[in-house]
Amino acid sequence: EPEVTQTPSHQVTQMGQEVILRCVPISNHLYFYWYRQILGQKVEFLVSFYNNEISEKSEIFDDQFSVERPDGSNFTLKIRSTKLEDSAMYFCASSDVTSGVYEQYFGPGTRLTVT
Amino acid sequence: SQKIEQNSEALNIQEGKTATLTCNYTNYSPAYLQWYRQDPGRGPVFLLLIRENEKEKRKERLKVTFDTTLKQSLFHITASQPADSATYLCALDGGTGGFKTIFGAGTRLFVKA
Repeated sequence: EPEVTQTPSHQVTQMGQEVILRCVPISNHLYFYWYRQILGQKVEFLVSFYNNEISEKSEIFDDQFSVERPDGSNFTLKIRSTKLEDSAMYFCASSDVTSGVYEQYFGPGTRLTVT
Repeated sequence: SQKIEQNSEALNIQEGKTATLTCNYTNYSPAYLQWYRQDPGRGPVFLLLIRENEKEKRKERLKVTFDTTLKQSLFHITASQPADSATYLCALDGGTGGFKTIFGAGTRLFVKA
């Protein structure tokens, strides 16, 4: 069964450093998403992406964040200058909305620890 | 502002019983509502989607209802099993026409053998 993959599974970085989280969505899906989940809290929407542009973004997704689809398979989230409060689990998801299906398939997540 | 509320306390039930989880929302008119399951340290897994013009949806032992007047969805697991123990998340579309999904905080379900 096709699945969303994410790398790395765990990233430790120092405050102020840039990080790039990588995702490979399911191959025939056209909509991509990033979410974050701070430990013990709810899953929070960051951004959705379609046709090489951002479709929606939340208040969390400020100028420190950017997303890119650098090739036909990868989808990345970049945090330019990490803060302690960026420590969280980051989930990528994809969906095949063109067939009327809105369900999202989530990856296993990248645990980001900012020290 | 838009708000989603799920039972904040954990739900403990005996194996074989029906678990009923509640999702209430305010300041929303979602076109559809989804339920996901999340196990510790894992990503959410899609379970069911129900649209605003549907009253009820079923899939195997799962049933979802959607009352747009009450602004409430109920999620039922019949003949519950210990393997059903997980956190169940309610999710709504952001209602802005794009693809923004808002998740509730989830309800932790424990099924005892």
